[in-house]
Amino acid sequence: GAVVSQHPSWVICKSGTSVKIECRSLDFQATTMFWYRQFPKQSLMLMATSNEGSKATYEQGVEKDKFLINHASLTLSTLTVTSAHPEDSSFYICSAGTLYNEQFFGPGTRLTVL
Amino acid sequence: DAKTTQPPSMDCAEGRAANLPCNHSTISGNEYVYWYRQIHSQGPQYIIHGLKNNETNEMASLIITEDRKSSTLILPHATLRDTAVYYCIVIGKSSGDKLTFGTGTRLAVRP
Repeated sequence: GAVVSQHPSWVICKSGTSVKIECRSLDFQATTMFWYRQFPKQSLMLMATSNEGSKATYEQGVEKDKFLINHASLTLSTLTVTSAHPEDSSFYICSAGTLYNEQFFGPGTRLTVL
Repeated sequence: DAKTTQPPSMDCAEGRAANLPCNHSTISGNEYVYWYRQIHSQGPQYIIHGLKNNETNEMASLIITEDRKSSTLILPHATLRDTAVYYCIVIGKSSGDKLTFGTGTRLAVRP
């Protein structure tokens, strides 16, 4: 099956710093990638949808200037959490693919902001 | 987009069938029913999807009622590795091709 990777798998950073998370589709080209956030014991919440070569579409309540998304190629999307604060600590998950086929999820990145 | 209702938790014995129900009474004609599961601290995993016919693959079976207002995911022989949160999601063009995860059903498989 199709494989989506994320890097890093976990990261700890100081408050005020920026963190970049990469999402790669390893064996297929994804025109659309999705970024989710999941707080402990809660469900996944969609943050934004990114299409290759165009600006991401953010969900209501998600700050686009804080969560920068770049989808420069059909196999790579990045999420940068700028000026991270402890409340940004969460499990960030990306997915790739198109609906009506399976949507393939990455393994997730656990971010801890001290 | 149609919302789904699932029991918050279920359990079953290892080796027995696990039947996970989902209500989606407001589903529209062009919306599909998708099932994903999430094992602790991992990304969700696709299981199966269907429109109106019953579906089966190597992981599970999906039974959709004739009126399409509910469905059941069946894991025929549950193992301990099937312990996870199972999400039933209804998706169609009206939702902009976006997956909306509810609270899901936490399935615990007992030895």
